[in-house]
Amino acid sequence: EAGVAQSPRYKIIEKRQSVAFWCNPISGHATLYWYQQILGQGPKLLIQFQNNGVVDDSQLPKDRFSAERLKGVDSTLKIQPAKLEDSAVYLCASSFGRGYTFGSGTRLTVV
Amino acid sequence: QKEVEQNSGPLSVPEGAIASLNCTYSDRGSQSFFWYRQYSGKSPELIMSIYSNGDKEDGRFTAQLNKASQYVSLLIRDSQPSDSATYLCAANDMRFGAGTRLTVKP
Repeated sequence: EAGVAQSPRYKIIEKRQSVAFWCNPISGHATLYWYQQILGQGPKLLIQFQNNGVVDDSQLPKDRFSAERLKGVDSTLKIQPAKLEDSAVYLCASSFGRGYTFGSGTRLTVV
Repeated sequence: QKEVEQNSGPLSVPEGAIASLNCTYSDRGSQSFFWYRQYSGKSPELIMSIYSNGDKEDGRFTAQLNKASQYVSLLIRDSQPSDSATYLCAANDMRFGAGTRLTVKP
């Protein structure tokens, strides 16, 4: 079974620029999560999708972050404009039912 | 605000000892709990899930759930240096605690 695919693996941008991350979940997994993990902290849930609908985006900074999951499969997370404090690893996870599998993450550095 | 809290550690144990990791949660409606292990620079990987009160054993790992007291724990028996990692607790809404960093010293 192929895992959760994320790209890019690394991204360095200047503050105020925009950036997008892509996630392809495990085939058949209806639930998809995006997390932000700052160094030394636990993953912070940004948004949860069930198929192509948003279940929980209460912790998503909507003034600069957006996410979509078209056709209930792939998902993209965008930051515009980026701030220095957005430097983190952005993790995508998917689930069929019980148990969740994470992708390798995208390490974002904002300079 | 639903919270999952972990003693942030760090926790250091000698090789062969039992490592005990604890997690408390605020949402009484939470039904299932997960323990993830995260090596430095890697993504979290699921090591245990528990849904019912009591103990669940899997090899050297035992998860314990007490819904009345709203805590979940993970015991690692015969700890090995390869167990050195950060252990994350999550409830079924997939909100994580801050993690506990475990170091097993040879």
